[in-house]
Amino acid sequence: QKEVEQDPGPLSVPEGAIVSLNCTYSNSAFQYFMWYRQYSRKGPELLMYTYSSGNKEDGRFTAQVDKSSKYISLFIRDSQPSDSATYLCAMRTDSGYALNFGKGTSLLVTP
Amino acid sequence: DTGVSQDPRHKITKRGQNVTFRCDPISEHNRLYWYRQTLGQGPEFLTYFQNEAQLEKSRLLSDRFSAERPKGSFSTLEIQRTEQGDSAMYLCASSLEGARGYEQYFGPGTRLTVT
Repeated sequence: QKEVEQDPGPLSVPEGAIVSLNCTYSNSAFQYFMWYRQYSRKGPELLMYTYSSGNKEDGRFTAQVDKSSKYISLFIRDSQPSDSATYLCAMRTDSGYALNFGKGTSLLVTP
Repeated sequence: DTGVSQDPRHKITKRGQNVTFRCDPISEHNRLYWYRQTLGQGPEFLTYFQNEAQLEKSRLLSDRFSAERPKGSFSTLEIQRTEQGDSAMYLCASSLEGARGYEQYFGPGTRLTVT
């Protein structure tokens, strides 16, 4: 079993909807949590990052970390067709350097 | 543009040939990472440099793979005797050591196809 699990989708929503993406993990030593957006055949683009537990908001994006449940979420408000992409969660420990990624969730926002 | 750059963007090679990829990190970043991504999967860590020192290598990095970062600037990843299973996107990322050094910024990747 992989350390980071993420439902690959695809997830299809109408424009303007609130999107909820999430990952679960098994390694309790993970402390840094990130969300990346990846368009087809491009490199991942860093969207959000949080340390330990809590919420962080940036524009239409909110990241949540619940370490007690080993569960992280990314919410996208007022979704736009330009948000259509694959969203990857990633995390690492305090002492490690490697990011551990989920498989990514494919999101399609339809006009 | 001062982002991470990678060259070439695409490479098609025949099985058994050697290939080399280059990564230029964000100029002030002293940490550099290589990842590999196959279709439908997230990136998998290959190796990490701090300045010119290679500090961590994944078990995925077989002895056919070698990476260098001379003078702590650009990095190269070489694959010798390529196999069809090496076909993937090779991604480079960089970060700045410090309180927020966990933010890794990725380049556009090099897509390798081994025929």
